Order: sequence, then C-alpha cells, then structure tokens
Amino acid sequence: EIVMTQSPATLSVSPGERATLSCRASQSVSRTLAWYQQKPGQAPRLLIHGASTRATGIPARFSGSGSGTEFTLTISSLQSEDFAVYYCQQYNNWPFYTFGQGTKLEIK
Amino acid sequence: QVQLVQSGAEVRKPGASVKVSCKASGYIFTSYFMYWVRQAPGQGLEWMGVINPSSGTTTYAPKFQGRLTMTRDTSTSTVYMELRGLRSEDTAMYYCARTNGWFDPWGQGTLVTVSS
Repeated sequence: EIVMTQSPATLSVSPGERATLSCRASQSVSRTLAWYQQKPGQAPRLLIHGASTRATGIPARFSGSGSGTEFTLTISSLQSEDFAVYYCQQYNNWPFYTFGQGTKLEIK
Repeated sequence: QVQLVQSGAEVRKPGASVKVSCKASGYIFTSYFMYWVRQAPGQGLEWMGVINPSSGTTTYAPKFQGRLTMTRDTSTSTVYMELRGLRSEDTAMYYCARTNGWFDPWGQGTLVTVSS
C-alpha cells in the first residue's frame, strides 16, 4: 500500500496570506495525485487532479505542483471560505487508492 | 448535472448489518467505477471498496473482506454497500464517490451509528 503523509497537521494562516500544504508519497505516484477540500458537515470536494489540473469551478488561487513523491497545494491569497481540512489522494495503484491524513487550515 | 444521492442515516446494534444506497444521475451509470469511502468521527478518509457498475465486479479493501458486499442495479442507476457484523468502530459517515482515478463527485454521505 502506498502511504500518503501530509504536513503540517495544522496550519495557521491569516486571511489574505499564502498557504502551502505538503503531501509525500511512500513511493512514486508520477502525477496521479488529487487534492480535496472538506468543510465541517460536508462531503469532500475535488480541487485538483493530475497534480496540477484544477477541477471545474475551482478558483485560480488554488494551485497544485509536484510529481513522483513530493506534492504541494498552494492557496495564493486565503479567503474566509478556504479554512477547511485538505486531503491528498494517490490514484496510481489501482484499486488501492489511498489518502493522506489531512491538513487542517485554520485562521491565525 | 452529475449527482450522487445517498440514503438516510441509520442506527444499528452491534452485530447487525446495514445497507446504504447511492443513486447516480446526470451521466452514463455504467461508464464509471464507484468507490465507497468512510470517515469516522474526527478522522480521515478510508477507502472501503470499488464496484464496476457495468460488470458488477468488485474489489474490497483487505480490512473489510468477508464483511462487505457492494452491488448495483443498472435499471435504477444505484449502487449499494452492505456491511455486516457491525461494531462500534464502524460508526462513521459513509460516502459513495464516482472515480476517474480522482473522486468526483461525492454523495452527500450517510451516517451509520452503531450503538447498543
């Protein structure tokens, strides 16, 4: 099983600032990496797939980068609605798709 | 629009079974695999298994082997997830999610509570 490790567990950032979230895979997943946002009481929402392709309707302030084992989600200028939990997920190893444990993005 | 609508919350006693449904609309049901993912209270996301709606073929995560059954009804574009031998640790939100590798969209979730 490919283990996905996210860091940090909690990130405190002020509105308007940049947030950088990291995700590491235990072995190479090429660019088969997705990011999700989850708000309390809601299902996860797809943000990014293919490591850097924004899903339909996702604002341009969200960007993804990386390949192999190291990935980053960047939110360029935090809005109030961006404070949530973020998960990465690899889909390289069919059907054993695995998630990171999540990063909670909170208001500083 | 593409949508997954799940059945409502369930409460079960330990040792019982639960069956959750997920009705798809807005796309060709047999063209995409469907996963079930669960989330215990305050915890992360855990994949349980996947079904090919076209063939009915399934693959389950090892920890659920023997307790989990996924089925589908192509006439109603609905997939089902049945979990047996429930224990308190199975208390969680259960989601269906269409997959293209990534998961999109997700159902709204079904809360299953296991309590004596």
